Amino acid sequence: QKEVEQNSGPLSVPEGAIASLNCTYSDRVSQSFFWYRQYSGKSPELIMSIYSNGDKEDGRFTAQLNKASQYVSLLIRDSQPSDSATYLCAVNRGYSTLTFGKGTMLLVSP
Amino acid sequence: EPEVTQTPSHQVTQMGQEVILRCVPISNHLYFYWYRQILGQKVEFLVSFYNNEISEKSEIFDDQFSVERPDGSNFTLKIRSTKLEDSAMYFCASSERGGYNEQFFGPGTRLTVL
Repeated sequence: QKEVEQNSGPLSVPEGAIASLNCTYSDRVSQSFFWYRQYSGKSPELIMSIYSNGDKEDGRFTAQLNKASQYVSLLIRDSQPSDSATYLCAVNRGYSTLTFGKGTMLLVSP
Repeated sequence: EPEVTQTPSHQVTQMGQEVILRCVPISNHLYFYWYRQILGQKVEFLVSFYNNEISEKSEIFDDQFSVERPDGSNFTLKIRSTKLEDSAMYFCASSERGGYNEQFFGPGTRLTVL
């Protein structure tokens, strides 16, 4: 069974702080990794993709990948109340299928 | 910015009825997908479609499900005889290329089976 694991949260951070979201995956052949944001009742919105070990930065978001540890994370700097959502980690083995984790709920308090 | 669209936004049906969910993928994308999310659960892959045929499907995608690209823009998911457990959000997604590429999701159709 190919699993993607995330802490369900909620992760509570004050406005302006750094939020750190983590994800582990079980399938070693996984090749690409994505973070989606999902507001309640809405669809997943792609915010970051990462394909190789290391860090990838895009604005306030940084994705980190460590394939040896089968670990991917998302850092959100200067968190805003509008960042409050569920963050979904998704993993692709190189075929069509995205395997999603259950998501981590992030709450950013003003 | 191009986006995936889906209709209807909400579909209510009686158990045993057929439903068709519709999607218009992003225009230059070649790979199309259906996912579903039961309330409170994770997003689950159903099927992928490329070059007018299914490229991959999950165990969920049994004989009650079918997909079609009836014209150059629409992509549909048909459920032949709905069950109560088919109640979920159904998301269509598309990607420019397959494999590792980013998939972009539509707003979803909430299916309620009574």
